[in-house]
Amino acid sequence: AQRVTQPEKLLSVFKGAPVELKCNYSYSGSPELFWYVQYSRQRLQLLLRHISRESIKGFTADLNKGETSFHLKKPFAQEEDSAMYYCALRRAGANNLFFGTGTRLTVIP
Amino acid sequence: KAGVTQTPRYLIKTRGQQVTLSCSPISGHRSVSWYQQTPGQGLQFLFEYFSETQRNKGNFPGRFSGRQFSNSRSEMNVSTLELGDSALYLCASSLEGLVYEQFFGPGTRLTVL
Repeated sequence: AQRVTQPEKLLSVFKGAPVELKCNYSYSGSPELFWYVQYSRQRLQLLLRHISRESIKGFTADLNKGETSFHLKKPFAQEEDSAMYYCALRRAGANNLFFGTGTRLTVIP
Repeated sequence: KAGVTQTPRYLIKTRGQQVTLSCSPISGHRSVSWYQQTPGQGLQFLFEYFSETQRNKGNFPGRFSGRQFSNSRSEMNVSTLELGDSALYLCASSLEGLVYEQFFGPGTRLTVL
């Protein structure tokens, strides 16, 4: 079975401060990990995926297989980063996603 | 390209009734997945359809069913509604193949009274 855990339901940081949203997973195979974001009144959308190894809107995430983590990081938070963030896992050979319960990030001006 | 559309956007039903929700994927997308989003359980996978066939199924009771048409549009049906079925139901579409991103619709908000 697979499981995605986001330990923080709420996270508040000041503008310009670093931010880290935690994500841990359990899965016996080789997963594909994603971060999805939902801004106020908008649809759920992909932020980044681990296989792309890219930085989107200043966010990065590194898959740590040893610690089974995929934490999302940004060195300097911006007000427009305030949103709901979901970590998600896709099993090898499947198209559906398993989501964590999400973390609501609030960036305080 | 138009995004994923879902109809209706809001629904109110009473216990015991049934409901059908519709999803139109992005043009060219043949995979459609359904998710249930609730405050307590978060986003949970219901099922995925590809080329009119259910390819994957989550852990939901048989009251939840779906289908996909030849134009890739999909419907999901919930029979004998329960209060706990109140949720936001999200549809997501993607191109065939497992490397492609899922694009989500705005959801249908179902309230069961």
